[in-house]
Amino acid sequence: DGGITQSPKYLFRKEGQNVTLSCEQNLNHDAMYWYRQDPGQGLRLIYYSQIVNDFQKGDIAEGYSVSREKKESFPLTVTSAQKNPTAFYLCASSQTAGSNQPQHFGDGTRLSIL
Amino acid sequence: GQQVMQIPQYQHVQEGEDFTTYCNSSTTLSNIQWYKQRPGGHPVFLIQLVKSGEVKKQKRLTFQFGEAKKNSSLHITATQTTDVGTYFCALQAAGNKLTFGGGTRVLVKP
Repeated sequence: DGGITQSPKYLFRKEGQNVTLSCEQNLNHDAMYWYRQDPGQGLRLIYYSQIVNDFQKGDIAEGYSVSREKKESFPLTVTSAQKNPTAFYLCASSQTAGSNQPQHFGDGTRLSIL
Repeated sequence: GQQVMQIPQYQHVQEGEDFTTYCNSSTTLSNIQWYKQRPGGHPVFLIQLVKSGEVKKQKRLTFQFGEAKKNSSLHITATQTTDVGTYFCALQAAGNKLTFGGGTRVLVKP
């Protein structure tokens, strides 16, 4: 979706390195989400944020961290504690949390280990 | 937590034929969403179903919510090559969290 920008499109991580994936939205959405997708699999929720300065763990938060200092931005850091980080990472947003809102996705970042 | 199963996992369809993919939940749902992800792309929202027994149509796509609100189906008629991709159902949880099914991967044989 044009309103959500993820960067970079491809990212390579060395062993023991932390990397940060960027997600920016100009949709004025309150809620933002990070998902991980492995090849041939569905989406699994890593972290989500319903409002600025607040976020909650999803189903697979271990080895990841996030921040939500601005409404537009929800960066994801893949830490060295995440032993199997190779995956397709998708950021999404929805207008509000706690209501039946569709989620809008960015184009994703493909992370690989060197 | 909520469990959602999609069947079949793979669907090979001859162009022009119809097919149906199913989404089943272990619990009664408040609503269900469907998304489509083209190969190499990102999921795109298709539709949301809320009412028991609800049926919605989008051109050749027909979405249905079960009477007990525990399952849903997507039926595509006269399949085209543009229908290639993975179709996910997603269940709404508290805090607007979505639990995604594993998806049905659709391949179209011309």
